Amino acid sequence: AQSVAQPEDQVNVAEGNPLTVKCTYSVSGNPYLFWYVQYPNRGLQFLLKYITGDNLVKGSYGFEAEFNKSQTSFHLKKPSALVSDSALYFCAVRDQTGFQKLVFGTGTRLLVSP
Amino acid sequence: ETGVTQTPRHLVMGMTNKKSLKCEQHLGHNAMYWYKQSAKKPLELMFVYNFKEQTENNSVPSRFSPECPNSSHLFLHLHTLQPEDSALYLCASSQEFEGPTYEQYFGPGTRLTVT
Repeated sequence: AQSVAQPEDQVNVAEGNPLTVKCTYSVSGNPYLFWYVQYPNRGLQFLLKYITGDNLVKGSYGFEAEFNKSQTSFHLKKPSALVSDSALYFCAVRDQTGFQKLVFGTGTRLLVSP
Repeated sequence: ETGVTQTPRHLVMGMTNKKSLKCEQHLGHNAMYWYKQSAKKPLELMFVYNFKEQTENNSVPSRFSPECPNSSHLFLHLHTLQPEDSALYLCASSQEFEGPTYEQYFGPGTRLTVT
């Protein structure tokens, strides 16, 4: 069965510094990987996805993610964090056998301090 | 906003009440979903509808009853709930073709409290 793991409950970073939110995955076929962000009292917003091709995926709000097949990872990154990036981030995976079944990680809270 | 709306945004209900959650998507998608989000737990997929037909029921208790009258509207009917059902209920939609490459778009959720 497919799964994702987000090993950090919370990540703290100072504004202007680079940030990384970690995600590792486990699937039986080719992975389709997604990152979502959730602001307080809001639903999840799509940030970016990896389907195939270039291992570095660029998404919304200056975020990018690096797909690493050998390490089964899909870490979310941003070169310079903003206070407004503070939110809950979810990694999710679908595989070719799991039609429409999107499996989410437990989420990582990102706190960017001024 | 993402084009998926949910009402009400907050709901408090007793264990013997009957209530319904409503979701509407304005994106022209053909698939809709209900998720449950509880504190300290991953999002749980509850139901999936494709072209108004239910294609997945993720072992959800019968006190939750979904309804999808058309591809734009989705309801979750609630009755005789338990306090542990208190959670954020999220609706999502997507455009499904032949592969699982399409992202899902989420509504803001209904915060449900069962007393």
